[in-house]
Amino acid sequence: NAGVTQTPKFQVLKTGQSMTLQCAQDMNHEYMSWYRQDPGMGLRLIHYSVGAGITDQGEVPNGYNVSRSTTEDFPLRLLSAAPSQTSVYFCASSYSSSPDGQPQHFGDGTRLSIL
Amino acid sequence: GQQVMQIPQYQHVQEGEDFTTYCNSSTTLSNIQWYKQRPGGHPVFLIQLVKSGEVKKQKRLTFQFGEAKKNSSLHITATQTTDVGTYFCAGDAGGTSYGKLTFGQGTILTVHP
Repeated sequence: NAGVTQTPKFQVLKTGQSMTLQCAQDMNHEYMSWYRQDPGMGLRLIHYSVGAGITDQGEVPNGYNVSRSTTEDFPLRLLSAAPSQTSVYFCASSYSSSPDGQPQHFGDGTRLSIL
Repeated sequence: GQQVMQIPQYQHVQEGEDFTTYCNSSTTLSNIQWYKQRPGGHPVFLIQLVKSGEVKKQKRLTFQFGEAKKNSSLHITATQTTDVGTYFCAGDAGGTSYGKLTFGQGTILTVHP
């Protein structure tokens, strides 16, 4: 049981390049999300998905696309990388969303630098 | 939109001292969660609080949820070096937004032996 797996762990891009951050979970979780973490700002929600085929925007969605074709995978695409997207990106998953809350299981993160 | 403020941003303590971090939401929450992130690591779930006025304990950690469900606190008694890390609260506003967590900025705890 690997939990939430993110690849790559580190990446350096040039401004204008595109790339996809991969996220996979093997816990059959319905709910998946992407966060970015910047110093002093906590974690900010980029996009989330409540199930296969359903995605929605979070707090900071501009410059990012997502899709959810399977329950297991939730890739995050940077269309045209900008220096402001330099950050640590975390993928998380949980069984579902509910009033009582569901623990989020985080991957190890992808450290992305845009030059 | 919903905002979650967390204070203090930094806390330096001597081993054995107590530590408290506070979390305040601009809106009433459905539930609140707490996470710990070790340096270089990822956030790890600690606990969730759902009921107004709820208090939960995990060994030396005490978590409280305010009566109005807009604030919360985490208190650590007699800190140890293993408590080092960043502590985050994360609020869930509920309604049509169940599961959309808004994280506080985090409190970075340093423990001096």
